[in-house]
Amino acid sequence: AQKVTQAQTEISVVEKEDVTLDCVYETRDTTYYLFWYKQPPSGELVFLIRRNSFDEQNEISGRYSWNFQKSTSSFNFTITASQVVDSAVYFCALMRNTDKLIFGTGTRLQVFP
Amino acid sequence: NAGVTQTPKFRVLKTGQSMTLLCAQDMNHEYMYWYRQDPGMGLRLIHYSVGEGTTAKGEVPDGYNVSRLKKQNFLLGLESAAPSQTSVYFCASTPKVTVYNEQFFGPGTRLTVL
Repeated sequence: AQKVTQAQTEISVVEKEDVTLDCVYETRDTTYYLFWYKQPPSGELVFLIRRNSFDEQNEISGRYSWNFQKSTSSFNFTITASQVVDSAVYFCALMRNTDKLIFGTGTRLQVFP
Repeated sequence: NAGVTQTPKFRVLKTGQSMTLLCAQDMNHEYMYWYRQDPGMGLRLIHYSVGEGTTAKGEVPDGYNVSRLKKQNFLLGLESAAPSQTSVYFCASTPKVTVYNEQFFGPGTRLTVL
């Protein structure tokens, strides 16, 4: 079965705190991709990152970083020095060779000033 | 480029009414998708299309029909709306270059069925 679990339903932090959003996935495939999308209060979905199953290197983009560990089937997302503009719902998603995305249930992040 | 657009943005229906949601993309993408988003459930795939004239069922297809008569348009139809179809609907598209491309999403349509 293919499944994505985001156990954290909602996280609240104060501005400048670091925060990590967890994502655990299940798949029997050896080739797959993992994604993170951001959904701000305005409602649209914004692509953040794609990572394939053969590339376990961590990635950093500004204040965002991603940690992919196949041994634990996790693809966690960390925001360093969070800002109010980071407040959104964040979705982790899995894509197999069927080209269909399987989404997690999302984590709502609230960053307070 | 407008990207992916959806019409309408909001709609209120009565139970039993029908309607069609329109998704249009100007990026010449081969693949198009319809999702619904419900609280606490993430996005779930309703139907998708891998090219003009082709459609396929996703995870939650019951109560919906789709058509892809033109490459740039993907229509989602509700023949007899039910309150359980109250949701936010998202359309997405992706090019065929590789199936692992990210999907580009439209702004969503908020549908309420009374």
